[in-house]
Amino acid sequence: EAAVTQSPRNKVAVTGGKVTLSCNQTNNHNNMYWYRQDTGHGLRLIHYSYGAGSTEKGDIPDGYKASRPSQENFSLILELATPSQTSVYFCASGDLRDTEVFFGKGTRLTVV
Amino acid sequence: AQSVTQPDARVTVSEGASLQLRCKYSYSGTPYLFWYVQYPRQGLQLLLKYYSGDPVVQGVNGFEAEFSKSNSSFHLRKASVHWSDSAVYFCVLSGDSNYQLIWGSGTKLIIKP
Repeated sequence: EAAVTQSPRNKVAVTGGKVTLSCNQTNNHNNMYWYRQDTGHGLRLIHYSYGAGSTEKGDIPDGYKASRPSQENFSLILELATPSQTSVYFCASGDLRDTEVFFGKGTRLTVV
Repeated sequence: AQSVTQPDARVTVSEGASLQLRCKYSYSGTPYLFWYVQYPRQGLQLLLKYYSGDPVVQGVNGFEAEFSKSNSSFHLRKASVHWSDSAVYFCVLSGDSNYQLIWGSGTKLIIKP
């Protein structure tokens, strides 16, 4: 069964601190994504990747970096966390043309 | 430009009533279209998808959607809703490249007892 696992599921960080959100997929998908979801908004794309070693900017990349060291793993990095980055973050993986995209259960990040 | 519009932020229906959630898209090519559902405090799950062929596609839990090229629409329907259908529903378009999913803003479905 297709699986995308995010860790941690909940995180409280201090302003100015570094936060790393991790994502692992066992679907052997080339494409992986990081989204954030805020009240009143749909999902907004932060970064995505076509495969190991590749990262691309999505629609709202400012303040975020991404890393794709392997096919299975895709991390989202907040070097200097700010309260405006308090949100729920979803990782997803998809195949070519994204005929189906599988989502993790989300990470609730609170920056205080 | 590619876009997805869900014009209704909230829809309230009575349990047992029929449902239609609206979705309009803008895309010049052949779209791949999806409906995803997000239950409270959970991730997103695929309800159904359309690539080509029969414009009416069936999904899980009695949902179906109808693609209309002339109207640029992909509305979601259900004949009789249940309280457990309360969730947020997203219409999604797969566009030109192999990465871009274009998300609607979502419709929150509220079921009245």
